[in-house]
Amino acid sequence: KNQVEQSPQSLIILEGKNCTLQCNYTVSPFSNLRWYKQDTGRGPVSLTIMTFSENTKSNGRYTATLDADTKQSSLHITASQLSDSASYICVVFTGNQFYFGTGTSLTVIP
Amino acid sequence: GAVVSQHPSWVICKSGTSVKIECRSLDFQATTMFWYRQFPKQSLMLMATSNEGSKATYEQGVEKDKFLINHASLTLSTLTVTSAHPEDSSFYICSATDKGDTEAFFGQGTRLTVV
Repeated sequence: KNQVEQSPQSLIILEGKNCTLQCNYTVSPFSNLRWYKQDTGRGPVSLTIMTFSENTKSNGRYTATLDADTKQSSLHITASQLSDSASYICVVFTGNQFYFGTGTSLTVIP
Repeated sequence: GAVVSQHPSWVICKSGTSVKIECRSLDFQATTMFWYRQFPKQSLMLMATSNEGSKATYEQGVEKDKFLINHASLTLSTLTVTSAHPEDSSFYICSATDKGDTEAFFGQGTRLTVV
């Protein structure tokens, strides 16, 4: 069964601290994996997109990793800011269908 | 980057009426558009996939006669919630992919409240 699981479900961190979000998937075939940030009441916004051959991709303070062998991905946020508070969604694309993770709700507190 | 515009951003309607939500790709041709529903604190749930000029493919459990999807052009898809009821109140989001299917761009979402 094609699934995308994310952990933790929710996370609270202090402003300035780093954090890492996890994504495990069983989706096949695999075309690419994307991380999205979704602010409350808004549509998701793309952070990174990685294909099979890419291990790491950065977008500012966001760094995503991908291990296609173990089917795991992580999103590392460095020096968190209050504006990072949002839901982070991992999405795997097979080539014609998207599979969404349940998301990690991140709250950054002062 | 590519932009997907969704309209309206929020709507309140009376029970029994119909509501139309528009999803437009502003600077690219969207061969495929997706419609999602999201309940509070939950992830996106795919409702249907539509390709330009053809009938939408609905996910299991989604009533196609209640959620009418039209994808008449490469830049516009609409979702009409017919005979809306309070349980249809939700956050509806569209996304569109370009011809290469390399990226999915999301609209800003529509908050529907049925009273």
